[in-house]
Amino acid sequence: DAKTTQPPSMDCAEGRAANLPCNHSTISGNEYVYWYRQIHSQGPQYIIHGLKNNETNEMASLIITEDRKSSTLILPHATLRDTAVYYCIVREARDSNYQLIWGAGTKLIIKP
Amino acid sequence: DAGVTQSPTHLIKTRGQHVTLRCSPISGHKSVSWYQQVLGQGPQFIFQYYEKEERGRGNFPDRFSARQFPNYSSELNVNALLLGDSALYLCASSRGLAGVFYEQYFGPGTRLTVT
Repeated sequence: DAKTTQPPSMDCAEGRAANLPCNHSTISGNEYVYWYRQIHSQGPQYIIHGLKNNETNEMASLIITEDRKSSTLILPHATLRDTAVYYCIVREARDSNYQLIWGAGTKLIIKP
Repeated sequence: DAGVTQSPTHLIKTRGQHVTLRCSPISGHKSVSWYQQVLGQGPQFIFQYYEKEERGRGNFPDRFSARQFPNYSSELNVNALLLGDSALYLCASSRGLAGVFYEQYFGPGTRLTVT
């Protein structure tokens, strides 16, 4: 089962900041938080990941709370092309296997 | 540079048949992972291959198998197709074993419909 909880859907006005929350209350100390997005009919696209410090790249910022039980992905100036399903994932490694455990994500709709 | 490519784009099969899906990773990437995505859900991990060896397997029946070739391309095979196998099958590649230091880049997927 996915180790994250996200709202099923959100709206945001074009040009405004989109803030997507994610709860991961059972995260362990060595697990990272990843964000991917999937635009309709395409493969998922990596956005950003972090451990405990806030991270920023050309696409987004990731804010992780001090207790690491939740995080927020921020798209600073949302455009219509940011409409997608956004997945928050906690990396889980079992034995020598690596896999991402995906939930249902948040469907973000950017409105003009 | 070309991204991850998958073929075919769409496929329709009948129950009980066999299917082979193909994936070419990004040049220089040695790891390929396969995911199944049912409509309305997130992707589910099926396999990861690195340097032609299976390095991870998700909770899928033995009807699902895969292999990786010397050029790092990969095939996913599904035998005895069931209606429930209808899904988008995603391939992702990474430079090394997918993990914190090697991000995964996904292809556009193969849409499989089983009738």
